[in-house]
Amino acid sequence: KNEVEQSPQNLTAQEGEFITINCSYSVGISALHWLQQHPGGGIVSLFMLSSGKKKHGRLIATINIQEKHSSLHITASHPRDSAVYICAVSNYGGSQGNLIFGKGTKLSVKP
Amino acid sequence: EPEVTQTPSHQVTQMGQEVILRCVPISNHLYFYWYRQILGQKVEFLVSFYNNEISEKSEIFDDQFSVERPDGSNFTLKIRSTKLEDSAMYFCASSDQNRGEATNEKLFFGSGTQLSVL
Repeated sequence: KNEVEQSPQNLTAQEGEFITINCSYSVGISALHWLQQHPGGGIVSLFMLSSGKKKHGRLIATINIQEKHSSLHITASHPRDSAVYICAVSNYGGSQGNLIFGKGTKLSVKP
Repeated sequence: EPEVTQTPSHQVTQMGQEVILRCVPISNHLYFYWYRQILGQKVEFLVSFYNNEISEKSEIFDDQFSVERPDGSNFTLKIRSTKLEDSAMYFCASSDQNRGEATNEKLFFGSGTQLSVL
């Protein structure tokens, strides 16, 4: 059983659409990370959160600790948002970087 | 913005050879990590390093792997005798917090080293 599940696996959207990517986890966590992996392979950390909601530009991340669920939203999507979005969790009691990763959601935004 | 740098970007080696992957973390960071991603699979944690010693490691990080901070800037991953299944993208990351006490702190990743074992 995967400890971190993401949905959908693949997502195609038209430019301007509102996008939601979901992440569910089954372990106790100290933090949840949303990461963006570019087509070339590089990884960028978007958010780290342990409660509530965070916003950066057109990106919003929320987490519900009781339900063990997080969502990443992209408003007014753009083709440059095309990437793989990865949810990862830090086990409770472990170090921040000891992460369990989801398989990722491949997002393609069409102009 | 400061960045984590990894060299080389691509490394090709023969099975059984030793390889050293290099990383230069962000200068004031204290916590360092290695991950790998086999083609088409999810990213996997290998090891975390703090205060010149390993703080956590995964089951993947067996005796053929070692990490070192030989000087004040470099952080290296050594694979002693490479196997075909070691072919993967290896990512280094660093942070200056361990358990996320700083609510805005994130991990900073390097761009990866693609290791191909032939």
